[in-house]
Amino acid sequence: GAVVSQHPSWVICKSGTSVKIECRSLDFQATTMFWYRQFPKQSLMLMATSNEGSKATYEQGVEKDKFLINHASLTLSTLTVTSAHPEDSSFYICSALRGAHTEAFFGQGTRLTVV
Amino acid sequence: KNQVEQSPQSLIILEGKNCTLQCNYTVSPFSNLRWYKQDTGRGPVSLTIMTFSENTKSNGRYTATLDADTKQSSLHITASQLSDSASYICVVSFNTNAGKSTFGDGTTLTVKP
Repeated sequence: GAVVSQHPSWVICKSGTSVKIECRSLDFQATTMFWYRQFPKQSLMLMATSNEGSKATYEQGVEKDKFLINHASLTLSTLTVTSAHPEDSSFYICSALRGAHTEAFFGQGTRLTVV
Repeated sequence: KNQVEQSPQSLIILEGKNCTLQCNYTVSPFSNLRWYKQDTGRGPVSLTIMTFSENTKSNGRYTATLDADTKQSSLHITASQLSDSASYICVVSFNTNAGKSTFGDGTTLTVKP
């Protein structure tokens, strides 16, 4: 099946710093990728839709200046959590659409801990 | 409001037994329904995907069914294994953009020896 790779798998950062998370589709091109966050024992919550070559579309309540998304190529989207705070600690997951947009493949997730 | 409800919230079974997880949805218009398995601390992995016209789809020991009239789906796991312990998430798309989907809260399955 299609492979989507996220990096890093986990990261610990100090409050106030910025963290970049990468999402790569390894064996297919993805014009659209999605970013989610997931709190313990809760479902995935869509944060934003990342479109190659254009600005990301953010869900209501998600600060675009805090969660910077760049989709510079057909295989890479990045999420940068700027000026991270402890409340940003969460599990961040990306997914990428392949083919006729009927199936999304997920990355393995990134555990962010802000101390 | 589009909703996806899964039941039970959690389930404990013995190794080798079968189990069935339920998913009811109100998403409309319906595009496709997907079941994912998510191990703790990992991203979801696709098990099955079904469109409106499909009633059943199997992937090894996993069999998903779909009744588009009653808006219900089930995931049946046969001969459970310890490695089946995970969260199983039902995801329903209401248009052709699979990422714009409604996620269920998941069923946490624990398989005990």
